[in-house]
Amino acid sequence: QKEVEQNSGPLSVPEGAIASLNCTYSDRVSQSFFWYRQYSGKSPELIMSIYSNGDKEDGRFTAQLNKASQYVSLLIRDSQPSDSATYLCAAQYNFGNEKLTFGTGTRLTIIP
Amino acid sequence: SQTIHQWPATLVQPVGSPLSLECTVEGTSNPNLYWYRQAAGRGLQLLFYSVGIGQISSEVPQNLSASRPQDRQFILSSKKLLLSDSGFYLCAWSGGTGDGYTFGSGTRLTVV
Repeated sequence: QKEVEQNSGPLSVPEGAIASLNCTYSDRVSQSFFWYRQYSGKSPELIMSIYSNGDKEDGRFTAQLNKASQYVSLLIRDSQPSDSATYLCAAQYNFGNEKLTFGTGTRLTIIP
Repeated sequence: SQTIHQWPATLVQPVGSPLSLECTVEGTSNPNLYWYRQAAGRGLQLLFYSVGIGQISSEVPQNLSASRPQDRQFILSSKKLLLSDSGFYLCAWSGGTGDGYTFGSGTRLTVV
């Protein structure tokens, strides 16, 4: 059973601070990883993808991947109240049909 | 640009009634298509995926079925709804490039 694990939270972070979200996965074959943001009552929105070990930065977001430890993280710098949402981590382990396995999500609250 | 349409947005159905949810994608050809369900407070569960017309793979045995009658159309159906079918149904597509999914806006189904 291929699994993606996330701490469900809630995670509370003061406005302007760095929010750190973590995810582990069980399948060493997984090659591609994604972070989705889901506002309450809305559908998930892709915010970051990462395929290689190391860091990938996009604006205030940084995704980190460590394949040896089977660990993915998302850092949000200068957190804003609009970042309050549930963040879903996903792993892709089948390049043919591109199925994604999702974690249950971490609920993030930014405190003004 | 590619867009994904999903309807209806909200649906309240009695137990034992039929169901039909539709999803269409514009601006691309031969997409991979997916149906997910998100129960209240839970993660995303993959129900069905399709890599081409008439090609449907089921992930979870249940009273739901899916069909892909046209390249960019994906339909989720049930002959008789159960209370446990309530949830947030999400259609998604991917382009076969390993870049993750784009989700539709979702259908919130309540079975009463």
